[in-house]
Amino acid sequence: DAGITQSPRHKVTETGTPVTLRCHQTENHRYMYWYRQDPGHGLRLIHYSYGVKDTDKGEVSDGYSVSRSKTEDFLLTLESATSSQTSVYFCAISTTGSPYEQYFGPGTRLTVT
Amino acid sequence: AQSVTQLDSHVSVSEGTPVLLRCNYSSSYSPSLFWYVQHPNKGLQLLLKYTSAATLVKGINGFEAEFKKSETSFHLTKPSAHMSDAAEYFCVVSAMGRDDKIIFGKGTRLHILP
Repeated sequence: DAGITQSPRHKVTETGTPVTLRCHQTENHRYMYWYRQDPGHGLRLIHYSYGVKDTDKGEVSDGYSVSRSKTEDFLLTLESATSSQTSVYFCAISTTGSPYEQYFGPGTRLTVT
Repeated sequence: AQSVTQLDSHVSVSEGTPVLLRCNYSSSYSPSLFWYVQHPNKGLQLLLKYTSAATLVKGINGFEAEFKKSETSFHLTKPSAHMSDAAEYFCVVSAMGRDDKIIFGKGTRLHILP
C-alpha cells in the first residue's frame, strides 16, 4: 500500500460540464501518473508529473489537463466532459527514480451522460 | 519504440492445474518487464518484475515469469491455480531511452473452473 487515495470514487456527470478528479499520496513520491482504463485497451497514460508544477502529456492527453501544486496532490481536469471520456481513471505513483515500477490507487469510475 | 502483446484475451483453467499467460514484447533498449494483476473492481497490484537481473523472476502468490530474450517473451506461470487467482493480468514493458515510456498490454482475463 503506497498510501494513494482517489476522490471521488464514482461520479456521474453531464456532457459539457467540467470535472476534476483528485489523487492524493502520503509518501512524498516524486512521480505521479493518470491513466484511463477501457475494455480492450488496457491502461493508457493521460498525463504524468515528475515534480511540483512539472507535468507532461501521455498518449491520450487530448481533452484533459493536470495540475500539481503540492507534492501530495495530482489533479486531473476534464474541461468539458464528453461521453468518450466515460472510463475508469487510475492514479499511480512511482517509488523509484524512473517510471519502472508503479503503485496504483483504487480508481475513479466516471460516467458522462 | 516499445510494444507489448498479450497473446490471449481470455484463459480458462481448472483449479489445481497450471496457469500460463503469454506475453511478447519488443523494445529498442534493454527492457524492464512487469506483470500486474487486477481483481474485479480493484486497482492494479504489482505481481513481479524483471529488471536485468535473474531471468527467472518469482512474484507474489506463487507466480513466476521467465525472461527469454531470444524469444522476446515474458510469460507468466503458476504451477497450480487457485480460485482466488481469477482476475485480469497485464504485462507491461518499460525501457530507458529517449522515449522512456511504460506500455501496458491489453490484458488477459484468467478464469478458474471448479
